[in-house]
Amino acid sequence: EDKVVQSPLSLVVHEGDTVTLNCSYEVTNFRSLLWYKQEKKAPTFLFMLTSSGIEKKSGRLSSILDKKELFSILNITATQTGDSAVYLCAVAPKVDSSYKLIFGSGTRLLVRP
Amino acid sequence: DTGVSQNPRHKITKRGQNVTFRCDPISEHNRLYWYRQTLGQGPEFLTYFQNEAQLEKSRLLSDRFSAERPKGSFSTLEIQRTEQGDSAMYLCASSSGPVDLNTEAFFGQGTRLTVV
Repeated sequence: EDKVVQSPLSLVVHEGDTVTLNCSYEVTNFRSLLWYKQEKKAPTFLFMLTSSGIEKKSGRLSSILDKKELFSILNITATQTGDSAVYLCAVAPKVDSSYKLIFGSGTRLLVRP
Repeated sequence: DTGVSQNPRHKITKRGQNVTFRCDPISEHNRLYWYRQTLGQGPEFLTYFQNEAQLEKSRLLSDRFSAERPKGSFSTLEIQRTEQGDSAMYLCASSSGPVDLNTEAFFGQGTRLTVV
């Protein structure tokens, strides 16, 4: 059965710290891996990764995919209180071209001042 | 507001009652998705429309659940004879195209259902 596992489940850090969130997956016919940030309600898109070894970067956030080892990491440097959220990892199988995503349970990040 | 809109935002219902949720996708997005999210879990796929055609339904979608997208624009999700286990956040998402480097799915704020 396809699954996505995220670790840690929760994390508490202080402002300015760097964090690494992990996502491993077992999916047949992998198409792409996506990261979302969920603060209160709607998940908001961060990154889509389809190729191994190519880092995606947006400000203090970056992510990379390893298709051989079946995992991805999301790095956040110089964390701010506004980074506090649940970070969701999802995989899009190559069954068709739809957004039928398989999500992990998320990592809840709390950044203390 | 040009985002994905869901109504109502919250719904409390008694067990056994029927409920209906509405999702208005981003204009001209031909693909629409329903997900369900319970506390402490990631969203789970329920069903997917391309225009008015319902192309896939998860096995999570029991026969008490029905979704429609009659004119290829807004969609409704109805739950009949609600059970306490139906309590969850129901999320809708839309995209303009398939999963590739040029499109992304946008999620609505969700409808939180509580069955008492």
